[in-house]
Amino acid sequence: AQSVAQPEDQVNVAEGNPLTVKCTYSVSGNPYLFWYVQYPNRGLQFLLKYITGDNLVKGSYGFEAEFNKSQTSFHLKKPSALVSDSALYFCAVFRPSGGYNKLIFGAGTRLAVHP
Amino acid sequence: DGGITQSPKYLFRKEGQNVTLSCEQNLNHDAMYWYRQDPGQGLRLIYYSQIVNDFQKGDIAEGYSVSREKKESFPLTVTSAQKNPTAFYLCASTEAVGTGELFFGEGSRLTVL
Repeated sequence: AQSVAQPEDQVNVAEGNPLTVKCTYSVSGNPYLFWYVQYPNRGLQFLLKYITGDNLVKGSYGFEAEFNKSQTSFHLKKPSALVSDSALYFCAVFRPSGGYNKLIFGAGTRLAVHP
Repeated sequence: DGGITQSPKYLFRKEGQNVTLSCEQNLNHDAMYWYRQDPGQGLRLIYYSQIVNDFQKGDIAEGYSVSREKKESFPLTVTSAQKNPTAFYLCASTEAVGTGELFFGEGSRLTVL
């Protein structure tokens, strides 16, 4: 069965420091991988995706993610965190199923960036 | 601007009452989805629809119903049969044949009193 794991409920980072939010996946075949961000009481916003090609994917707001097939991971990174990056981050995997786009989401990781 | 509109933003309901959450999109997307979000559990798929007059159950469809009479609209009814309906509900859409990128509405928070 396909699944996504985000092992950390919360990540705390000081402003200006690099941040990493971890994600591992379990899916057969070649996965499509996504990161979304959610601010309080709002919908999710797309950050970036990996489908194929370069293992380092760049996305919105200075975020990037590294696809590692051998470790089945897709960690989200940013070189220098901002207080405004504080939000809930979701990793998701997509595997085409009968023509429908079905995303499987992780439980989410809350990022807290402190001044 | 194109987007997805969910209403109401907040809704309170007494036990035993049905309630319908609205979702409208003007992105011309074929596929639409309803997710439920609970703290610490991520998003769980309730129903999805790829074309008008067609929809499929997701992982937690019990106690919910949907309709897809128009391409732009995908309302969700939370029935009295749903045992624990208090949650944050998110509607999303995507092109029918795409890469899985979803566009989300702002959500509707339902509280059962």
